[in-house]
Amino acid sequence: DAKTTQPNSMESNEEEPVHLPCNHSTISGTDYIHWYRQLPSQGPEYVIHGLTSNVNNRMASLAIAEDRKSSTLILHRATLRDAAVYYCILRNGSEKLVFGKGMKLTVNP
Amino acid sequence: EPEVTQTPSHQVTQMGQEVILRCVPISNHLYFYWYRQILGQKVEFLVSFYNNEISEKSEIFDDQFSVERPDGSNFTLKIRSTKLEDSAMYFCASSQYRAGNYGYTFGSGTRLTVV
Repeated sequence: DAKTTQPNSMESNEEEPVHLPCNHSTISGTDYIHWYRQLPSQGPEYVIHGLTSNVNNRMASLAIAEDRKSSTLILHRATLRDAAVYYCILRNGSEKLVFGKGMKLTVNP
Repeated sequence: EPEVTQTPSHQVTQMGQEVILRCVPISNHLYFYWYRQILGQKVEFLVSFYNNEISEKSEIFDDQFSVERPDGSNFTLKIRSTKLEDSAMYFCASSQYRAGNYGYTFGSGTRLTVV
């Protein structure tokens, strides 16, 4: 499974935008970039995914570099509820998701 | 919004006992999964299930584990003879399609404590 690299942690302030980076330099042409998050004591939650173009949904935006070797999850206005561990995962046709350690986001009031 | 439901939320069992963890996936989903997360560690894949058979399993999923879809709605994980190291959060997930272009929906998990 192709590997992703994320910072261990980040801090942001409530109601400010936050950009969560992910590097995936060995991504293959068929890998989708998925983001999940895990709130404390909860199961992972799907956030967003994309292949080549930037994507927006009600939760977040995903900006994908032109060479696809990196991507950025954008939370437009962080709330306290966004404090979680965020996972950047590459997924092709394989059924399983391979979770790394993820990145812990702390949101300060 | 449709949810994956898991029961019980917390199960305590004695070492050597059998446990069954239950899940109700989203009704129109076709692919079902179990993952586990030992406290403080990564979320780990256990098994995927499609068309009433296991399609992929990890090294963790040994002969002590089994999965079943006994009816049209439930999806269960059985651990035959629990060990202390089976203590973990167990997450069920489902997906409508297999391809990389679709996300999973996870349940809130069952915390299994083996004593």
